[in-house]
Formats: sequence, C-alpha cells, structure tokens
Amino acid sequence: QKEVEQNSGPLSVPEGAIASLNCTYSDRVSQSFFWYRQYSGKSPELIMSIYSNGDKEDGRFTAQLNKASQYVSLLIRDSQPSDSATYLCAVTGGSYIPTFGRGTSLIVHP
Amino acid sequence: DVKVTQSSRYLVKRTGEKVFLECVQDMDHENMFWYRQDPGLGLRLIYFSYDVKMKEKGDIPEGYSVSREKKERFSLILESASTNQTSMYLCASSPGAYGGGNTIYFGEGSWLTVV
Repeated sequence: QKEVEQNSGPLSVPEGAIASLNCTYSDRVSQSFFWYRQYSGKSPELIMSIYSNGDKEDGRFTAQLNKASQYVSLLIRDSQPSDSATYLCAVTGGSYIPTFGRGTSLIVHP
Repeated sequence: DVKVTQSSRYLVKRTGEKVFLECVQDMDHENMFWYRQDPGLGLRLIYFSYDVKMKEKGDIPEGYSVSREKKERFSLILESASTNQTSMYLCASSPGAYGGGNTIYFGEGSWLTVV
C-alpha cells in the first residue's frame, strides 16, 4: 500500500514568516512529486511539481526533494493571510495514478 | 490553459435517485479520474480511465459506475443515491505519460447532497 503522510496541522505562522510543510512517502520508486493548495470549499490547484533531488523555486514557494530520505517539503516565504489553506502533497511512481496525502492546514495570522 | 469542467456544481438529490455527474476536459488528456473528498478522509479515488471505454476501479468504487464514451468526457453515475454519498466530487485529468511528470488537474468540484 503506497502511503503519503502529512501532518494535519493546523500549522500556524505569523504574517511574513516562513511556513514549512512536510510530506513523507513510502514508495521508493516514486518519481514525481506535486504540491496543491486547496482553499476551503474549493478544488485543489497545482502550486509546484518537482522531479529531481534538491530545491526548486517559484516565486515565494520552494519545493525540496530528498529521495534518499523519502520526503518532500514546501517552503512558503513571506507568508500572507491569503496563503491560509490546506496543502496537499501528491506522489506518482510507476503508474499515472497519484497518491495524495490528507493535507496540512496552514493558518497565517496577521 | 488547462480546463476541466464539471457542469453540475451543486446538487440535491433524494435517496434512491440515479445521479449523473459530468466532466469534460479540453486538454486531450488520456487519463481521467473521479475522486470524492470528505473532511478528515482526504481524497479517495473512485474510478479512473486511461482510454476511451476503458475504466478501472479505484479505492471506493462501491455504489458508483462510470462511463467514458469520448476522450474528453468522463461521467460518474450513482445508480441509487444514498445519504452516505453526500460529498464533494472532484473530476481530474492528466496527460497520460506512464511514469513521471504526470501532472493531474482538477475540476471545480460538484457538491452533492443526498436527502
């Protein structure tokens, strides 16, 4: 059974701080890793994808992948109240069917 | 831009009714998926399809069926709706490359209430 684990939170950070969201996965052959943001009552929207070990930056977002340790993380710099949402980690391996974590709730307070 | 459209956003149905949820994607994607999402349970895969007329069961197929007669359209059918099927239903699609790089895109969701 492929598993993707996320701390459900909520993770509470002050405005302007760095929010760090973590995800671990069980399937060693996993190849593609995705972060989605989901606002309450809305559908998930893709923030970032990462395929290779290391860091990938896009604006205020940085995804970090460590395949040896089987974890992927998302850093949000200069957090804003509008970043308050649930963040879903998704992993795909040898098939095209992603495995999703249950999400981490992030609260950015002014 | 990627577009996955779920035509019915909010539905209220009676127990025992047959319910159709329609989904259309305009990206020529091979794969299409139906998920349901419930508080505390995350996303659960109901069915997926990797080609026209092809379908495979996901984690929770009981009480559901699907139809994919055209590449762009994937329908979820509740043969006899029950109250425990009250949920948000999410359609999604992905390009179809086997292995890595297969980004999944979601529709806006369909909120179904069965009374």
